[in-house]
Order: sequence, then structure tokens, then C-alpha cells
Amino acid sequence: NAGVTQTPKFQVLKTGQSMTLQCAQDMNHNSMYWYRQDPGMGLRLIYYSASEGTTDKGEVPNGYNVSRLNKREFSLRLESAAPSQTSVYFCASSMEGGNNEQFFGPGTRLTVL
Amino acid sequence: AQRVTQPEKLLSVFKGAPVELKCNYSYSGSPELFWYVQYSRQRLQLLLRHISRESIKGFTADLNKGETSFHLKKPFAQEEDSAMYYCALGSSGTASKLTFGTGTRLQVTL
Repeated sequence: NAGVTQTPKFQVLKTGQSMTLQCAQDMNHNSMYWYRQDPGMGLRLIYYSASEGTTDKGEVPNGYNVSRLNKREFSLRLESAAPSQTSVYFCASSMEGGNNEQFFGPGTRLTVL
Repeated sequence: AQRVTQPEKLLSVFKGAPVELKCNYSYSGSPELFWYVQYSRQRLQLLLRHISRESIKGFTADLNKGETSFHLKKPFAQEEDSAMYYCALGSSGTASKLTFGTGTRLQVTL
């Protein structure tokens, strides 16, 4: 039982490049989330998926897109990376909604040059 | 709009001293409040939630609706308590999501 897994662990991009961050969970959770963590800013919600087939914007969605591929997988795409997107990205999942315990992945450290 | 305020970026205490990590929130509905913790080289994890009224690792937190606060307390700090602590506020409904504070780093020294 791996919980929440994320790939890659580290990534360096040049401005304008695109990439997709992958997230998968094996806990049969309905809800999944993408956050970014920046010094002094805490965790900010980018997008979330309350259930399979639905996605909604969080606090900082600009520059990102998401896909809830199936119940297990929730990917985050940066179409044209910018230095302001340098951050640590966390994926999380919960049984149903944010008021249930959220389980976090190990994070992806992304640097955009 | 929901908002969570953690006024201290860093809290440094001596081992055995009491700890209080402050959290204030702004929310028009009935709040669901949580404390999450991130130990060094570990994943962010739930420490406790107000609805369960538990004591986890000696930590407690009481929801004070009058003062809109949910401070985290422990009577005697231990070295292993050193970590990053985040207060989080949940919205209502099945599509609920969490709003996190900016976090407080607790440093327990000998």
C-alpha cells in the first residue's frame, strides 16, 4: 500500500517548456488535490477533484491544467512554465471532501529557469 | 472568503517548556479545523482535528468560536516535536476543500 505517489521527484525546466506532474493513490479515495508550497505562503490549492469526472479551480489555478484520468490518477500540467511556478508541488487525496483527512504525496520540487 | 492566520513563522522553545502555536480563522459558516504537521524528510500528515477532540502526541487544540481561534498546545515540548505546523480550515459540503495557514516552524532546543 503505497498511499499517494508522485512523479517526478525533481524537475528543472526552462521558461516556456511544458510538463505534466503525475499523481496516483491506491486508497480508493474519491477526492484529490494539487497544492503548491512556497516559503512564507504555506500550501495553496491549485486545483481539486471532488470525485472522478469533476475538477474545480482552487486558489491559484492560473497557468495550470488538470486531468482526473480515473479514480486513482490526477495529473497537473504546466503548458508554458514560468519562473513564478518554481515551487514544491504536493498531491493529496481524501475519502470524500477536504474535511476528511487528507493524505499527502512526497512532493515534486520544480525549478523553472 | 475563508482565511487562516498563523502569526508566527518561527517559534523556538526549550525542551520541557510549554508550547502554543497560534491559529486564527475567518469563516462565515460552521468551521472544520485541523492541524497538519510536516516533520523533516516526512510527508505532511494530519495531527488532529477539532471535531475529534483528541490529544495526539500530547498536543491538544480547542476551538474558540468567540475568538475565532484554534491554538495548538502542548504542556512540555520534546525535541521530536520540532517540525512545521499548519493550521487548516475546511469548507462545508462534499466538495469541501482546505485553506491552509502559512505555517509555523517549531524548534525545540535543549
